[in-house]
Amino acid sequence: SQQGEEDPQALSIQEGENATMNCSYKTSINNLQWYRQNSGRGLVHLILIRSNEREKHSGRLRVTLDTSKKSSSLLITASRAADTASYFCATGSNYQLIWGAGTKLIIKP
Amino acid sequence: DAGVTQSPTHLIKTRGQQVTLRCSPKSGHDTVSWYQQALGQGPQFIFQYYEEEERQRGNFPDRFSGHQFPNYSSELNVNALLLGDSALYLCASRSGPYSYEQYFGPGTRLTVT
Repeated sequence: SQQGEEDPQALSIQEGENATMNCSYKTSINNLQWYRQNSGRGLVHLILIRSNEREKHSGRLRVTLDTSKKSSSLLITASRAADTASYFCATGSNYQLIWGAGTKLIIKP
Repeated sequence: DAGVTQSPTHLIKTRGQQVTLRCSPKSGHDTVSWYQQALGQGPQFIFQYYEEEERQRGNFPDRFSGHQFPNYSSELNVNALLLGDSALYLCASRSGPYSYEQYFGPGTRLTVT
């Protein structure tokens, strides 16, 4: 079963614009992670935000977490063609991660 | 520093056959998890291995089995293949079972005809 649900399912923007995608989850969490996947290949860990954190930055990435609404957002600023990928949020225990279906982001030149 | 490697890259099998997928974890990692990812979906957890034992299992039938070797590498075996087993199989490793960050391999694309 899926824990997270990303929104929107697909997003197409011009290079240089900001991209925002959202994730909602169902149960209480210790942390939430965001991953990127290029062309159906392996996933790359982007950022982890703990349940006691509200916002976290990493380079051009900004993640927020609202535990009262059980939601998180990922903002990519100044998008580049190389950001074209699918983005997934994942939550879970030490043993396993439970994933949403992802947001497919397309950056147009 | 080699990351997570998986073999083979692609595989085509016939219904009813058996398949073995292989994974070598990132250097220094001792915990391996396997995921199945259907087209257009997020990964689904299959199981995790640590200290050569299966520590946790997702909602997958017994046709899916695995093994971890003393060098921490791992195999995923699927018996009696069904068409629905066609998917990308991802291996992820981490440094210890309590580390949250996982490093993924490129995956094995399995097609069952």
